[in-house]
Amino acid sequence: AQKVTQAQTEISVVEKEDVTLDCVYETRDTTYYLFWYKQPPSGELVFLIRRNSFDEQNEISGRYSWNFQKSTSSFNFTITASQVVDSAVYFCAFMYSGGGADGLTFGKGTHLIIQP
Amino acid sequence: NAGVTQTPKFRVLKTGQSMTLLCAQDMNHEYMYWYRQDPGMGLRLIHYSVGEGTTAKGEVPDGYNVSRLKKQNFLLGLESAAPSQTSVYFCASRKPGDTEAFFGQGTRLTVV
Repeated sequence: AQKVTQAQTEISVVEKEDVTLDCVYETRDTTYYLFWYKQPPSGELVFLIRRNSFDEQNEISGRYSWNFQKSTSSFNFTITASQVVDSAVYFCAFMYSGGGADGLTFGKGTHLIIQP
Repeated sequence: NAGVTQTPKFRVLKTGQSMTLLCAQDMNHEYMYWYRQDPGMGLRLIHYSVGEGTTAKGEVPDGYNVSRLKKQNFLLGLESAAPSQTSVYFCASRKPGDTEAFFGQGTRLTVV
């Protein structure tokens, strides 16, 4: 079975600092997807990114960037020039892509606090 | 579009009471899921369904039952609520072959 580890339970930084959230996964599958979700204080889950196991290109979206490295089974998330609105719980998740109805396997989440 | 709607949004139960959480989706998705979120635990899969009339157990199914009588609805039942079932429950749905899951807004359940 797959496993997703987010070792950082809570991170606190001052606004405008860069911050990286770590995600390490374990699987025997060769085809899978990795995800990041944001859960703001209001409680809903907001989809941020999906990455196919065959695509190791890094991705940048505004202040957000993701680094996927199969060699280290990691899918890290960096926020550049953090803002107070980035304060949230962030979840990394895994899904097997074998075509079945598999659900998502989530990490335990990282609570990110951006102090003004 | 409404997407995935969960009813109710909040509920307080006494130990031993029963209740049903409703998840409704208007996207004609085959697959539906129930997760629970506990502090420091992330989201864990309770049950899921691959279509009308079918259900399957997830990672933490004990104490819950589910039903999918209509394609658009996925019901999560607690027959005899326990304090350990205090949690935030999320429903999700997706299409076969698609990896994008659509989540409801969550139901905060407290069992006292």
